[in-house]
Amino acid sequence: GNSVTQMEGPVTLSEEAFLTINCTYTATGYPSLFWYVQYPGEGLQLLLKATKADDKGSNKGFEATYRKETTSFHLEKGSVQVSDSAVYFCALTPYSGSARQLTFGSGTQLTVLP
Amino acid sequence: NAGVTQTPKFQVLKTGQSMTLQCAQDMNHNSMYWYRQDPGMGLRLIYYSASEGTTDKGEVPNGYNVSRLNKREFSLRLESAAPSQTSVYFCASSIGQGGETQYFGPGTRLLVL
Repeated sequence: GNSVTQMEGPVTLSEEAFLTINCTYTATGYPSLFWYVQYPGEGLQLLLKATKADDKGSNKGFEATYRKETTSFHLEKGSVQVSDSAVYFCALTPYSGSARQLTFGSGTQLTVLP
Repeated sequence: NAGVTQTPKFQVLKTGQSMTLQCAQDMNHNSMYWYRQDPGMGLRLIYYSASEGTTDKGEVPNGYNVSRLNKREFSLRLESAAPSQTSVYFCASSIGQGGETQYFGPGTRLLVL
């Protein structure tokens, strides 16, 4: 079956530090890959996505590249802000199907200190 | 445009009680989903509905039932609540027909004593 493994947290960084959260996946075919973010007390919001190999998703200064050869989709940001403090989830959906079920990683808690 | 809405926001139940969690979306999406979120485990799919009139089991369906009332609404029912069902429940929707981005509601926090 499909699975997602992501870097365990919590991660604590100082403002303006570089962020990497690792994510690797197991899936058949060519899944679509996602990063979702959950701010305290809220639901999940889509941060970025990539639908095929070598695609780079980007949003709000965050980037992730779909690496088929290493089955990875690592999240990066060059300079984090306090407002980036949240839980980040890596996820995938299968290549086909009318309802594209999401498989999530366990989440990584990020805290950014001023 | 409210997106995905869920009621209630918080609920406390005693073991054996029943309740229904409500979810509605106003984006004209075809597919809807129910997830539960437990510490350290990410979100796990309980049930989903690919389109109006269809429902299917996800990863953790035991102890739950669902109803796709119409295109907008998708409810989750706990017939006899157990402490193991203490969790945060999220509803989500997607356009379906291959559209893969899911949009999430704010969640329902459920405590079963």
